[in-house]
Amino acid sequence: EPEVTQTPSHQVTQMGQEVILRCVPISNHLYFYWYRQILGQKVEFLVSFYNNEISEKSEIFDDQFSVERPDGSNFTLKIRSTKLEDSAMYFCASTLDNEQFFGPGTRLTVL
Amino acid sequence: GENVEQHPSTLSVQEGDSAVIKCTYSDSASNYFPWYKQELGKRPQLIIDIRSNVGEKKDQRIAVTLNKTAKHFSLHITETQPEDSAVYFCAALIINNAGNMLTFGGGTRLMVKP
Repeated sequence: EPEVTQTPSHQVTQMGQEVILRCVPISNHLYFYWYRQILGQKVEFLVSFYNNEISEKSEIFDDQFSVERPDGSNFTLKIRSTKLEDSAMYFCASTLDNEQFFGPGTRLTVL
Repeated sequence: GENVEQHPSTLSVQEGDSAVIKCTYSDSASNYFPWYKQELGKRPQLIIDIRSNVGEKKDQRIAVTLNKTAKHFSLHITETQPEDSAVYFCAALIINNAGNMLTFGGGTRLMVKP
């Protein structure tokens, strides 16, 4: 069964550094998402992406964040200048209609 | 925007007993309600979902009920087993909304004691 994949599984970075989190959605899916989960808390929506543009974004997704689909398979989340409070698990998800399939997540630790 | 409340935050049951988790939502336009199971350090996995044109859906030991008028939906797990222990999240979504974003509840940590 096809799955969403994410790399790296764990990223450690210094505050102020840029990070890029990578996702490969399921190949025939059309909608792509990034969610964040701070340790022990609920999953929070960051951004949705459809037809090569952002369709919706939350208040969390400020100017420090950007997304890109650089080719036909990858979907990336960039954080320009990381802050301590960006430490969280970041999940990518994709869907063809309504059921969203989640990737295994990238744990981002900002020191 | 949508707000989803989930209760209880923790639930401990004896193996074989039933577990019920409840959620309420605020946006009457929401029309798709999935439930996710998340084991420690793992991704959320969809276990069951329901659309607003249906009042109840069942899949083996798991069932979900929806009351559109009250904006309330519940997850029922019967004959619980230790492997049901996990964090369960409810969510709400508006189908055909441009972003199709999921709004999650706060989660319920279910512990099934053998």
